[in-house]
Amino acid sequence: ASRMTQSPSSFSASTGDRVTITCRASRDIGTYLAWYQQTPGKAPKLLIYGASTLHTGVPSRFSGGGSGTDFTLTISSLQSEDFATYYCQQYYDYPLTFGGGTKVDFK
Amino acid sequence: EVQLVESGGGLVQPGGSLRLSCAASGFSFSDFWITWVRQAPGRGLEWVANINQDERERYYVDSVRGRFTISRDNAKNSVYLQLNSLRAEDTAVYYCARVHTYGYYFDYWGQGTLVTVSS
Repeated sequence: ASRMTQSPSSFSASTGDRVTITCRASRDIGTYLAWYQQTPGKAPKLLIYGASTLHTGVPSRFSGGGSGTDFTLTISSLQSEDFATYYCQQYYDYPLTFGGGTKVDFK
Repeated sequence: EVQLVESGGGLVQPGGSLRLSCAASGFSFSDFWITWVRQAPGRGLEWVANINQDERERYYVDSVRGRFTISRDNAKNSVYLQLNSLRAEDTAVYYCARVHTYGYYFDYWGQGTLVTVSS
């Protein structure tokens, strides 16, 4: 199984900040990586797939990068609606696995 | 509009059973894989099971294999998750989601249904 590790697990930021979240896979997963956003009490929403392709309707301030074992999710200018928990997910092999999540809260 | 609506959650005793349902609308249901993902209270996401369009392919996480069964009824645009031999650690919100055409990631999610396993 491919284990996914996210860092940091949480951090505080301000509106307008540029933030980067990292996700590391325990083995090479190519670009079979997705990112999701989840706000409290809500279902996750798909942001990015294929490591860098934005899902329909996702604002362009979100971007993804990386391949192999190291990946990033970047928000170029944090907006109020972006304070949430972010998860990466590998879909290279079964079992499909998620990272532990990164919570972005207001500084 | 793509919609997925889960139902069937509730309180059940350890060792008990429950059947979750997921009703889909707004897309050609029989063309898509469907998945179940769960989230224990205050914890992260855990993939549970996938099913393909004609039920010939089903995959499970090790912790539920042999206890949970995923199935679907394309005539009813529905997917089911039968939960047997439930344990306290199965307590979670269970989400169904549509699997994207191009890979095993999930592009639309339901609102979730809570399963609580407790005596």
